[in-house]
Amino acid sequence: NAGVTQTPKFRVLKTGQSMTLLCAQDMNHEYMYWYRQDPGMGLRLIHYSVGEGTTAKGEVPDGYNVSRLKKQNFLLGLESAAPSQTSVYFCASSYALVSTQYFGPGTRLLVL
Amino acid sequence: GEDVEQSLFLSVREGDSSVINCTYTDSSSTYLYWYKQEPGAGLQLLTYIFSNMDMKQDQRLTVLLNKKDKHLSLRIADTQTGDSAIYFCAEIGGSQGNLIFGKGTKLSVKP
Repeated sequence: NAGVTQTPKFRVLKTGQSMTLLCAQDMNHEYMYWYRQDPGMGLRLIHYSVGEGTTAKGEVPDGYNVSRLKKQNFLLGLESAAPSQTSVYFCASSYALVSTQYFGPGTRLLVL
Repeated sequence: GEDVEQSLFLSVREGDSSVINCTYTDSSSTYLYWYKQEPGAGLQLLTYIFSNMDMKQDQRLTVLLNKKDKHLSLRIADTQTGDSAIYFCAEIGGSQGNLIFGKGTKLSVKP
């Protein structure tokens, strides 16, 4: 039981490049979330999903897209990376809407 | 909107107790959480408290909840150098079910 895993662990992009971050969970959770963590800002919600095939916007969704084609996977895409997207990205999952969220180890992204 | 506030830094000596404080705004929060983040690592769930409880104890950790004042605290007894980390207070935010985090309290434990 690996819990929540994220790939890659670290990535460097040039401005304008695209990439996809993958989150996988093996706990059969319905809810999945993508957060970003910036210094002095805490964690902020980018997008979330309440089940397979569904996605919704969070607090800071601009510049990101997501997909939840399979229940266990939640993908975060950057179509045209910008330096402002340099951050640490965390994925989380939970069984229900108001239940404990379990976090992945994070992906460090640097956009030059 | 929802907001969670916590002090940014706390420094204690090894063996002392640490108390990390947090205030929140959403009175409808059902659960309140404490997460720990070590350098370069993800967030580890430390403990949580249901909103109808005043206190929860788990080994060295004691969580106190004052719903009237919307104040949450985490007490770590016999603080060790391995407790050095950033501690985040979080509440469940609104209809999205996402966590609203404080900015984190960096705990430094001096030998």
